[in-house]
Amino acid sequence: EVHLLESGGGLVQPGGSLKLSCAASGFTFSNFAMSWVRQAPGKGLEWVSFIGGTDGSTFYVDSVKGRFTVSRDNTQNTLYLQMNRLRAEDTAVYYCARDGGYTSSLGDYWGQGTLVTVSS
Amino acid sequence: DVVMTQSPLSLPVTLGQPASISCTSSQSLVHSNGNTYLTWFQQRPGQSPRRLIYKVSDRDSGVPDRFSGSGSGTDFTLKISRVEAEDVGVYYCMQGTHWPPYTFGQGTKLEIK
Repeated sequence: EVHLLESGGGLVQPGGSLKLSCAASGFTFSNFAMSWVRQAPGKGLEWVSFIGGTDGSTFYVDSVKGRFTVSRDNTQNTLYLQMNRLRAEDTAVYYCARDGGYTSSLGDYWGQGTLVTVSS
Repeated sequence: DVVMTQSPLSLPVTLGQPASISCTSSQSLVHSNGNTYLTWFQQRPGQSPRRLIYKVSDRDSGVPDRFSGSGSGTDFTLKISRVEAEDVGVYYCMQGTHWPPYTFGQGTKLEIK
């Protein structure tokens, strides 16, 4: 059974940093791209970043470019999101989601999410 | 970026009645490979999103057959043939043709009358 488990969220001051993790199990992690999607309180879904399965290609939404870095460790079946220079508008629940790309599309499996609150 | 527009944003439905949600994209979602990457998600209260439909009309495993997707080009529809209580939540469309970025609709909140 596929399982994604995020961790690392919490309260951080504006300008601070946080690193999220997503532990994957139940599938061959390296065979799949992964994405991070966030949801601000009471708002809709916003795609944040993508990382390829083996080639490690990365993409970001414009609002986080230069501040967030997505990475993965295929030996540990873990996805990461390093978030620097955090802003109040980054406050959201962050989900990791499996990304099947042009084969099976984004989002067949999601984690339960981890809440990031940016506030002084 | 491709803008996804859903309607209605609020959808009160009587149990057992059909429901329909529209999603329109600001440009055609037909990819050069011939596929159309339009996805529908359901988010029940307090839960993570769940994918229902991908590539316009392919239903995910375990999704009841009362959910169906249709459309082409820029206009797409999610239909629920007979609404059940467990269908309450917010429904989002998303395009994956012209990415990055993936873009979502604003969400449609389905409630029981």
